[in-house]
Amino acid sequence: AIQMTQSPSSLSASVGDRVTITCRASQAIRSDLGWYQQKPGKAPKLLIYGASYLQSGVPPRFSGSGSGTDFILTVSSLQPEDFATYYCLQDYSYPRTFGQGTRVEIK
Amino acid sequence: EEHLVESGGGLVQPGGSLRLSCAASGFTLSTYWLTWVRQAPGKGLEWVANIRKDGSTIYYVDSVKGRFIISRDNAKNSLYLQMNSLRVEDTAVYYCARDANNYDGRGYYYDVFDIWGQGTMVTVSS
Repeated sequence: AIQMTQSPSSLSASVGDRVTITCRASQAIRSDLGWYQQKPGKAPKLLIYGASYLQSGVPPRFSGSGSGTDFILTVSSLQPEDFATYYCLQDYSYPRTFGQGTRVEIK
Repeated sequence: EEHLVESGGGLVQPGGSLRLSCAASGFTLSTYWLTWVRQAPGKGLEWVANIRKDGSTIYYVDSVKGRFIISRDNAKNSLYLQMNSLRVEDTAVYYCARDANNYDGRGYYYDVFDIWGQGTMVTVSS
């Protein structure tokens, strides 16, 4: 199974900050990667697919980049509603695998 | 509006069985793959299984192979997860999700989980 490793595991940031989260795959996965946001007690929500394509309805302050093994999720200006846990997910092969998550907390 | 609603969770003893259901509304289930994802308390997300539109192709994570069975009834707009030989480590919130294909406009499709249910809690404990 492809292992997905996110960093950092958690971070503290302020409203308005630029935040970046990285995800590394244990083998090349082309651009077959999505990013999901999860708030406490809620189901995950799709933000980015194909490494860099914004899901419909997601604010443009979210962006994704990367291909192969290294990927980045960027939030250009953190808003209060963005404090959550973020997961990457590879859809290159089975079994599908998530990163361990990055918790974004208020500084 | 498109919705998925899970049901069937509860408390079960180790070695027991449970059947989860996921009901769809607002869209035609038969045109999508479907997925189960779980989340142990305080832990991250784990993909469990998915099933093709017509049920002809199924994939599982290794940890549930031979114990869990994913199935669907398109006529009832429903997805199921039959969980047998349950273990303490199967304790989790179980989510069903629509497994769609998003097009990038340049000839390539990506698998995405674009609609999720609210989750149902399964607790395996003696």
